[in-house]
Amino acid sequence: DSGVTQTPKHLITATGQRVTLRCSPRSGDLSVYWYQQSLDQGLQFLIQYYNGEERAKGNILERFSAQQFPDLHSELNLSSLELGDSALYFCASSPGTGKDEQYFGPGTRLTVT
Amino acid sequence: GEDVEQSLFLSVREGDSSVINCTYTDSSSTYLYWYKQEPGAGLQLLTYIFSNMDMKQDQRLTVLLNKKDKHLSLRIADTQTGDSAIYFCAESMGNYGQNFVFGPGTRLSVLP
Repeated sequence: DSGVTQTPKHLITATGQRVTLRCSPRSGDLSVYWYQQSLDQGLQFLIQYYNGEERAKGNILERFSAQQFPDLHSELNLSSLELGDSALYFCASSPGTGKDEQYFGPGTRLTVT
Repeated sequence: GEDVEQSLFLSVREGDSSVINCTYTDSSSTYLYWYKQEPGAGLQLLTYIFSNMDMKQDQRLTVLLNKKDKHLSLRIADTQTGDSAIYFCAESMGNYGQNFVFGPGTRLSVLP
């Protein structure tokens, strides 16, 4: 158990819908990272937040957005969902924002039908 | 552009050494990482190397970096069945934030 929690574990929704994935980092970690893992695209870094501020942006679509709240939990919002958005979404946390080891959550499996 | 490449599969016998290779294209990478993903689990950081280092050893793991050829390798000594997993090479850029690019992953199968 990494100490990072993600909810829900599984999510099935229809195209065009909007969903919110939630992540709680390990106690004391200030950075949260979001990743998407799919068979087509492999593992892709989406976005990083550090203490409430966006720090780095990867291949995140405009239909996706994220935020980190004052209690440091983070949410990833996915809107206008398409079939290709079906993937495993991982959250990871780390103490700081440099080379710190990232601790990964168990992931949320999103299926868009 | 950013691109990280790895061979997709590797099979070794238990007790042999495994060598997983990776090439990257961005010479401004700050850190290079090796992650392990077991079935149904998230990623686990195995080791990382700063871009100005050539080698790093950590118990059974040895990382070699050839910056001129943009080639990174992970050697696992005395490979065990528990080492069977997918291994991802990743590079990151930046000091303010960390923008990560991952390779496609190498599936290591350890045969008894």
